Amino acid sequence: EPEVTQTPSHQVTQMGQEVILRCVPISNHLYFYWYRQILGQKVEFLVSFYNNEISEKSEIFDDQFSVERPDGSNFTLKIRSTKLEDSAMYFCASRLGGGTGELFFGEGSRLTVL
Amino acid sequence: AQSVAQPEDQVNVAEGNPLTVKCTYSVSGNPYLFWYVQYPNRGLQFLLKYITGDNLVKGSYGFEAEFNKSQTSFHLKKPSALVSDSALYFCAVTGGGNKLTFGTGTQLKVEL
Repeated sequence: EPEVTQTPSHQVTQMGQEVILRCVPISNHLYFYWYRQILGQKVEFLVSFYNNEISEKSEIFDDQFSVERPDGSNFTLKIRSTKLEDSAMYFCASRLGGGTGELFFGEGSRLTVL
Repeated sequence: AQSVAQPEDQVNVAEGNPLTVKCTYSVSGNPYLFWYVQYPNRGLQFLLKYITGDNLVKGSYGFEAEFNKSQTSFHLKKPSALVSDSALYFCAVTGGGNKLTFGTGTQLKVEL
């Protein structure tokens, strides 16, 4: 069964460092997302991406965050200068179509900022 | 703005008993509703969704959910709980746009 894959599974970084989280969505999916979850609690929307551009972003997704789909298969989330409060589990998701289709999630990348 | 409320942080039920996990929503236009389950240190797995049609939708692992438009609810149910159902359950809603909004999650604990 096709799945969303994420790397790394766990990254530890120092405050102020840049981090790139990588995702390979399901191959025929068109919509891509990043969500984050802090301490196993609420799943918070960060950004959605469609047709090579951001379609929606939350207040959390400030200038320190960026997304890219560099090669037609990978979908990356970059945090330019990490803060302690960026420590969370980051989930990538993809969806075949918009609106009514379910999101398929990866297993997550745990980011720990020291 | 769209939102989801899951009023119970935790639900405890004995194995073999029916379970209900509550969810209410707010959205402009027609709601598209989803339930996801998360096991420890894992991603979210899709359980079921309501788009249109029959108010009772059936999903994976024997779960079902009932859409109630007048009460703006979409409660998750299972007739007979298993210990292996113990997990974190999330309700989510979209009004048809790109963004899926999740509730705060309900921890289900099924005991022998």
